[in-house]
Amino acid sequence: AQKITQTQPGMFVQEKEAVTLDCTYDTSDQSYGLFWYKQPSSGEMIFLIYQGSYDEQNATEGRYSLNFQKARKSANLVISASQLGDSAMYFCAMSFSGNTPLVFGKGTRLSVIA
Amino acid sequence: DADVTQTPRNRITKTGKRIMLECSQTKGHDRMYWYRQDPGLGLRLIYYSFDVKDINKGEISDGYSVSRQAQAKFSLSLESAIPNQTALYFCATSDLTGGVQETQYFGPGTRLLVL
Repeated sequence: AQKITQTQPGMFVQEKEAVTLDCTYDTSDQSYGLFWYKQPSSGEMIFLIYQGSYDEQNATEGRYSLNFQKARKSANLVISASQLGDSAMYFCAMSFSGNTPLVFGKGTRLSVIA
Repeated sequence: DADVTQTPRNRITKTGKRIMLECSQTKGHDRMYWYRQDPGLGLRLIYYSFDVKDINKGEISDGYSVSRQAQAKFSLSLESAIPNQTALYFCATSDLTGGVQETQYFGPGTRLLVL
């Protein structure tokens, strides 16, 4: 069964520090994609970063990077130089080839402390 | 203008009432989705549609129905609202031009309270 697990319900990080949000997944598919979304307190879902299962390099988008360890089936989000505006819920999600919709994890609430 | 819009943004209704949540998109995507979000449960898929003639049940479709009126419009109905349908509802769209890179783009959400 396709499954995404985010084991950290909540995280705290000091402003300007880096933080890693964990995401593990379970699939027998060889071709899949991994996504991270941010949901600030205002409620909207914002796409942050994508990693394909065949991508050899870890994805990066500004201060966001995805630490992709295929053998361990993990796709952790790393936020560098945290800012107060990074305080939000973060969701990991996975896509598959064919007609299976995205599967989402339950999310991690990140709080950045000044 | 936003690419994915939802109306209404907030709605209070009473138990037993029928209500409709509407979603429109200007992204030209074929695929549309309805999710609900409850605290601690993440996003759960209600229904999805891969094109105008295609409707599929998601994880939690009981008590809901949908209509895909056009490529750009996908409506969610609660036939007889009950309090445990109180939640934040999201519409999302995607296309398959990127293969497994099927990025979903979300509307702003509708906060529904059923009394």
